[in-house]
Formats: sequence, structure tokens, C-alpha cells
Amino acid sequence: GEDVEQSLFLSVREGDSSVINCTYTDSSSTYLYWYKQEPGAGLQLLTYIFSNMDMKQDQRLTVLLNKKDKHLSLRIADTQTGDSAIYFCAESFSGGYNKLIFGAGTRLAVHP
Amino acid sequence: GAGVSQTPSNKVTEKGKYVELRCDPISGHTALYWYRQSLGQGPEFLIYFQGTGAADDSGLPNDRFFAVRPEGSVSTLKIQRTERGDSAVYLCASSPEAGAADTQYFGPGTRLTVL
Repeated sequence: GEDVEQSLFLSVREGDSSVINCTYTDSSSTYLYWYKQEPGAGLQLLTYIFSNMDMKQDQRLTVLLNKKDKHLSLRIADTQTGDSAIYFCAESFSGGYNKLIFGAGTRLAVHP
Repeated sequence: GAGVSQTPSNKVTEKGKYVELRCDPISGHTALYWYRQSLGQGPEFLIYFQGTGAADDSGLPNDRFFAVRPEGSVSTLKIQRTERGDSAVYLCASSPEAGAADTQYFGPGTRLTVL
């Protein structure tokens, strides 16, 4: 079945790198995503990766996908206080539409 | 341009009452999704519309939940005989194409509280 797991909390110092991890169980996923949710704001798509890719880089964000281990990670370089938020990992499957299956989210706290 | 809007932003109701939650997708978006986010959890898929039809309603928890999109734009999620366990944030998302990975835009949600 479909299941996405994330650690609940991560605390980092401003300027350090953050790595948020996610594992999923269904190997038939087509795309894997990272969403950001700030208090009072809607879900914002940060980045996504196609399931046949290993890595994707977008400015300060690096996504790594280990399909064998069903492990996805998001690295944020030079983490800033504005990066404090909840980060959700999600997956979708082939079928012509993007029904998203989300993890429970990782709360990232950035301190000076 | 305008994003996905949802009304009301907050809804407080009593157990057993009927509620309607509205979603206005981005103009021209044919795909529309409803999700439910309980406290401390990630969003959970409820239903997907392609145009006017509900193409996948496998996430609706029971027959108290129903959604419509009669003209292929605005959608209404209807909950009958509300229960305290229905309390959550209900999120709507729309996309211009059903299968595109990077164009599912979320609204700010409706926070439903059932007393």
C-alpha cells in the first residue's frame, strides 16, 4: 500500500545545511515532491523529482532519490530563519492525474 | 493573477449539522482536488474532479461526504451530520492539466471545527 514516513522535527543553526528525510513504501510512484507549509499559508511546491532520476538541484535545494531503498531527501543549503516551516514529502502515481500521498511532515526550526 | 480561493476560511458548527465548503479554482484549470489535513498530519486525498465529473472519489471517508462541480469550475464539498472527527483543514487544489507534476496549486484551506 501507499505510505510515506518522515521524522517529525529538525533543528538547525542558521547558515548550516538542513537535510530532511522521507521513506515511502510504494515503488510504483511516478513523481516525488517536497512541499513547504508556513503558518497561515497554503502548501507551496518547492521541488519535485521524476522517479527515474537520482538527483535534482534547484538553487539552495538538492533532492536525492534512492529508489532501491525508497528513500528521498531534501537538502537546504545555507538555511535561513525564513526556511522555518513544515516540510512535506509526497508521492504520486501514473494514471493521468496527480493524486498526492503525503507524509506527516517535518517541522524545521532554524535558530541563530 | 488570482490563486485558488476557499470560503469560508473558518467554519464552526455543531455536531450533527450540515456544512458546505467552497473552492474557486484558478480560471481555466480543469483538474480539481480536495484534501483534508488533520492536526499534526499531512494532507489526505479526498476526491479528484476532471471537468465536471468526479474521476476518483476513493478518499471520501464515508457517505456523509459528497462533492460537486456542476459547471467545471467552482466545487463544493458537502458534509452531512457532522461529527467531531470531521474537524480539520479542508484544502482544495487545482491544476491546468491532470497529469502535470508542477502545477497543482493549493488554496489556503477552510478550517472546520465541529463542537
